[in-house]
Amino acid sequence: EIVLTQSPGTLSLSPGERATLSCRASQSVSGSYLAWYQHKPGQAPRLLIYGTSTRATGVPDRFSGGGSGTDFTLTISRLEPEDFAMYYCQQYVRSPYTFGQGTKLEIK
Amino acid sequence: EEQLVESGGGLVQPGGSLRLSCAASGFTFTGYSMNWVRQAPGKGLEWISYISVTSTTIYYADSVQGRFAVSRDNAKNSLYLQMNSLRAEDTALFYCARANGDGRYAFDIWGQGTMVVVSS
Repeated sequence: EIVLTQSPGTLSLSPGERATLSCRASQSVSGSYLAWYQHKPGQAPRLLIYGTSTRATGVPDRFSGGGSGTDFTLTISRLEPEDFAMYYCQQYVRSPYTFGQGTKLEIK
Repeated sequence: EEQLVESGGGLVQPGGSLRLSCAASGFTFTGYSMNWVRQAPGKGLEWISYISVTSTTIYYADSVQGRFAVSRDNAKNSLYLQMNSLRAEDTALFYCARANGDGRYAFDIWGQGTMVVVSS
């Protein structure tokens, strides 16, 4: 099983600041089968990034993904009030399609 | 509008069974693999099962292997999760999620979830 470890657990920032979220895999995620999701209370999770760096339909360009192998990042260039939420990375290269434990992005 | 709607959740005693359903609409169901993901109260997302378009490839998380069974009825645009031998730790909000293709794809459409509570 590929274990994904996200850091930090909680990130406290202000609107307008830049956010960098990390996701480290216990084994190489080949083929860039790495996704990022945003999850707000009471809502369904939302796909932000797939294939490590491709934005899903309708996702603003302030969201970007990068990395390779075992180290991946989600960057939000300039935080908007609606960006404060939980964020999860996920690998779908092989079963079990594990998620990281999440990073809570909160308003400072 | 592409949509997934889960149903079938509820309160069940430990050791009991429950069958969840997920109704798909607004897209060609036979073009996509499907998944079940759950979130226990106060916890993160946990993937639990995958089924390919023709049901020939099925995967489970270790935590549910042998107790849960995923299936789909393409004629009814529906996904199912039969849950047996339920435990307190299965208490969670269960989501169905579409993979953006048939195979290894990210989950691009999610339902709102159905709550399962396992308690005596």
